[in-house]
Amino acid sequence: AQSVTQLGSHVSVSEGALVLLRCNYSSSVPPYLFWYVQYPNQGLQLLLKYTSAATLVKGINGFEAEFKKSETSFHLTKPSAHMSDAAEYFCAVSPSGSARQLTFGSGTQLTVLP
Amino acid sequence: KAGVTQTPRYLIKTRGQQVTLSCSPISGHRSVSWYQQTPGQGLQFLFEYFSETQRNKGNFPGRFSGRQFSNSRSEMNVSTLELGDSALYLCASSRTGTGITDTQYFGPGTRLTVL
Repeated sequence: AQSVTQLGSHVSVSEGALVLLRCNYSSSVPPYLFWYVQYPNQGLQLLLKYTSAATLVKGINGFEAEFKKSETSFHLTKPSAHMSDAAEYFCAVSPSGSARQLTFGSGTQLTVLP
Repeated sequence: KAGVTQTPRYLIKTRGQQVTLSCSPISGHRSVSWYQQTPGQGLQFLFEYFSETQRNKGNFPGRFSGRQFSNSRSEMNVSTLELGDSALYLCASSRTGTGITDTQYFGPGTRLTVL
């Protein structure tokens, strides 16, 4: 079975600093990986997804993620944090590449300090 | 284009009751998935419907059920509510639910509190 592990349930960064949110996957087949963001009292919004077309994936709001097979990782980064980035971030994997049945990580709460 | 809508947004029920939650997908989307989100268990897949048929089901007891109508709107039902059913229930829709180019869009969720 496929799964993802998010390292760090809480991450704090200063405004303008690099954001790095970690996600490692476990899969016996090439995975399809996703990053979602959830703002308070809202649903999930797709930031980006990896579908094997390119190892560096660019998403919305300046976020990007790099698929590293050798490290089984798909970490999310943003060069410069903004106060509006404060939210919870979820890494997810799809068993077949389809969008309909996602397995999520436990989430990382990002706090941006002024 | 309207997003995924869920009604009601908030519900309070007591143990033993049953509840029905509704989800209207984005126009043209035929796949609807349901997820439960709790602080302890995180986000867990409940089930997915496509063209009025349940196509996938997560590891939840039979008290959790759902259906989809011909207009793709979906409902989920929880019978004999337990305290542990308190959660945010998220609905997500996509065009077909298959293929790597298809994207799942989430609604704002229904917050269910069981007393």
